[in-house]
Amino acid sequence: EAGVTQSPRYAVLQEGQAVSFWCDPISGHDTLYWYQQPRDQGPQLLVYFRDEAVIDNSQLPSDRFSAVRPKGTNSTLKIQSAKQGDTATYLCASSFSGGSYEQYFGPGTRLTVL
Amino acid sequence: SQWGEENLQALSIQEGEDVTMNCSYKTYTTVVHWYRQDSGRGPALIILIRSNEREKRSGRLRATLDTSSQSSSLSITAAQCEDTAVYFCATSEGADRLTFGKGTQLIIQP
Repeated sequence: EAGVTQSPRYAVLQEGQAVSFWCDPISGHDTLYWYQQPRDQGPQLLVYFRDEAVIDNSQLPSDRFSAVRPKGTNSTLKIQSAKQGDTATYLCASSFSGGSYEQYFGPGTRLTVL
Repeated sequence: SQWGEENLQALSIQEGEDVTMNCSYKTYTTVVHWYRQDSGRGPALIILIRSNEREKRSGRLRATLDTSSQSSSLSITAAQCEDTAVYFCATSEGADRLTFGKGTQLIIQP
């Protein structure tokens, strides 16, 4: 069974540029999460979906960040006008709400904003 | 002990030794999750302990949970070089919304 896949694996931007991250969760997982992990810190939840619905986006900087999951499968996280403080690894995870508590993480996208 | 505003902690031991990592949490949780993260990869769940359990074992791993002091520990017996990783504890009120600690960088020296 394929795990969670993410692309790109790396991105380097100048401040003010936009970037999109893409996530393909494990087949059959109805819940999808986006986390931000700054260097040498634990992951911090940004937003999560159950099917196509946003359940919690309270930690998403809404003025520059957006996330969608239009068909309840793949998801895209977009940063408009990136800032140096956005430098971090962006992790996608998925889980099945009717199963165990385990979240399965992808390898992440390492973003550097210069 | 991880949590709070501290940065990632580092711990270095010799192969074959035992090690314990501690975690204290501030909010109500029904489950404590322990994840390990290898360099360049996402976190992976290694053991999970529920609020009605005091101890959980899986191979060389042992997790404990004390809900009265809001603390958990992860012990590794006879550490091996392949145990080198960053270890995180995380809490949740249910299946969603994990809150991760700062993590412990564990280095096993051959």
